Amino acid sequence: EIVLTQSPGTLSLSPGETATLSCRASQGFGNNFLAWYQQKPGQAPRLLIFAASSRAAGVPDRFSGSGSGTDFTLTISRLEPEDFAVYYCQQYGGSYTFGQGTKLEIQ
Amino acid sequence: QVQLGQSGAEVKKPGSSVKVSCKASGGAFRTLPISWVRQAPGQGLEWMGQIIPMFGSANYAQRFQGRVTITADESTSTAYMQLSSLRSEDTAVYYCATVGTEEGFGYWGQGTLVTVSS
Repeated sequence: EIVLTQSPGTLSLSPGETATLSCRASQGFGNNFLAWYQQKPGQAPRLLIFAASSRAAGVPDRFSGSGSGTDFTLTISRLEPEDFAVYYCQQYGGSYTFGQGTKLEIQ
Repeated sequence: QVQLGQSGAEVKKPGSSVKVSCKASGGAFRTLPISWVRQAPGQGLEWMGQIIPMFGSANYAQRFQGRVTITADESTSTAYMQLSSLRSEDTAVYYCATVGTEEGFGYWGQGTLVTVSS
């Protein structure tokens, strides 16, 4: 099973700043099949990024994904109050697994 | 635009089973890969398994093998997840999810809370 490790566990920032979230895989998987999700309390996850760097429909361009192989990054520029949530990475190149999540909180 | 509607909350005794439904609309059900993902209170997301209705058989995460059964009924466009031998650690919100025109799980059900308690 491919294990995804996200860091940091919690990230404290202020609106307007830039958030950098990391996701590292225990082994490589095909075609950068890596997605990022945002989850707010009491809600289902929302797809933000797929194929490591493609934004899902309706996702603001301040969200960007990058990386390949085993190291991936989600960058959120110009943080808005509604961006403070938990973020998960997911690989879908070898079955499916999720990272443990990064909580983005207001400093 | 796919919509997934799940059955309501359940309270179960340890050792029993639960069956959660997920009704799809707005898409070609028989070709939709429907996954089940659970989330224990305050914890992360955990993929349990997936079915593509037209193929009938499901594949499961190793840790749930033998305890989870995922099925689909094409006549009602409904997928089901049955989890047996329930224990307190199975208390969680169970989501169904599927893909849209993009990769990844673009559509999610609203979630079903399953509480296992004696």
